[in-house]
Amino acid sequence: ETGVTQSPTHLIKTRGQQVTLRCSSQSGHNTVSWYQQALGQGPQFIFQYYREEENGRGNFPPRFSGLQFPNYSSELNVNALELDDSALYLCASSLEQGADGYTFGSGTRLTVV
Amino acid sequence: SQQGEEDPQALSIQEGENATMNCSYKTSINNLQWYRQNSGRGLVHLILIRSNEREKHSGRLRVTLDTSKKSSSLLITASRAADTASYFCATARFSGNTPLVFGKGTRLSVIA
Repeated sequence: ETGVTQSPTHLIKTRGQQVTLRCSSQSGHNTVSWYQQALGQGPQFIFQYYREEENGRGNFPPRFSGLQFPNYSSELNVNALELDDSALYLCASSLEQGADGYTFGSGTRLTVV
Repeated sequence: SQQGEEDPQALSIQEGENATMNCSYKTSINNLQWYRQNSGRGLVHLILIRSNEREKHSGRLRVTLDTSKKSSSLLITASRAADTASYFCATARFSGNTPLVFGKGTRLSVIA
């Protein structure tokens, strides 16, 4: 059984660019959630995918979008990057929408300059 | 917005001592979860306690939940240097299809 894998681990982008972050969920998990964690803060919910459909979204603008694939892996896309998008992006997978807790990946550290 | 508030924000103890962290939240919940984070990396799930439970144990961890006070505590007994990390509580309002709402965390330092 493998855990949650995120790629890349670190990324530097320029303001206005677009970025795609990737997540491979834990084997058997059908739910993927994405969180943004600014320095010194707790994670903030971006959105969740369950069986390839988005079924929950936090207070993030439409330039944050995502996908979940048939193998339940996922992508987070951010367009028109802003300096405030600099953060640790965490992916979490679970079975059946997190009823028994989530398994988190190690995160992608995004720096926007 | 943050649902939970951990207290204290930072805690420093000697190895072998017990560490207690508290969490308060605002709305009704289905369950409350505690996570550990080392050096700004991924979160590790420690324990989940449901709203109809009052206490739960896992190894050196003991979690209590008081839904009337909307609060929870995490006790780590016989702390070790390896317990040094940030600890977050997260609440889930429903049993499924619900995001976790995190607090800002408690930074625990265990001094050898």
